[in-house]
Amino acid sequence: AQSVAQPEDQVNVAEGNPLTVKCTYSVSGNPYLFWYVQYPNRGLQFLLKYITGDNLVKGSYGFEAEFNKSQTSFHLKKPSALVSDSALYFCAVRKAGSYQLTFGKGTKLSVIP
Amino acid sequence: NAGVTQTPKFQVLKTGQSMTLQCAQDMNHNSMYWYRQDPGMGLRLIYYSASEGTTDKGEVPNGYNVSRLNKREFSLRLESAAPSQTSVYFCASSEPTGASGGGTQYFGPGTRLTVL
Repeated sequence: AQSVAQPEDQVNVAEGNPLTVKCTYSVSGNPYLFWYVQYPNRGLQFLLKYITGDNLVKGSYGFEAEFNKSQTSFHLKKPSALVSDSALYFCAVRKAGSYQLTFGKGTKLSVIP
Repeated sequence: NAGVTQTPKFQVLKTGQSMTLQCAQDMNHNSMYWYRQDPGMGLRLIYYSASEGTTDKGEVPNGYNVSRLNKREFSLRLESAAPSQTSVYFCASSEPTGASGGGTQYFGPGTRLTVL
């Protein structure tokens, strides 16, 4: 079985400050890890993924994530938060070779002007 | 490219009514998926279709049926709607899971369904 934990339901950060949204996972075998963002009343938009290779992955809108195998984590980061980054963020994991993507429950990010 | 499209955007049903949610993708993806999203529960997989002609159950398949009509279209049917099926439904399609793209899934805008 595979699972994802996003330990924070909500993260508040001041505009211009760095932000981190946490994610830990559990999967047998090699993980494929993804971050998605959802704006109100919209579908999920793909941000970035880790498949293999460099542990630091860069994605859309200045976001990046660091894969840490020993801590089974894949935290999402951005050096300087924007008010427009306020949204719901989902981490997801898939075992290599599987079709089933398992999502965390989501973290609501609020960037305060 | 429109990506993944879903119809309708909103629907209200009475308990016991049936309906079909439609999904189409123009990215030439082999695999398609149906999810439901409920507050505080993330997205849960209902059914998926790895390729045209195949469908498989996901985490929460009870009360639903699916049809992979062709490579582009994947529909979700509620035969007898129940209030517990009130949710937002998302369709997705993906690149091949074994390719370098890693099977990234791309989502439609969703259908908000209320069952009274």
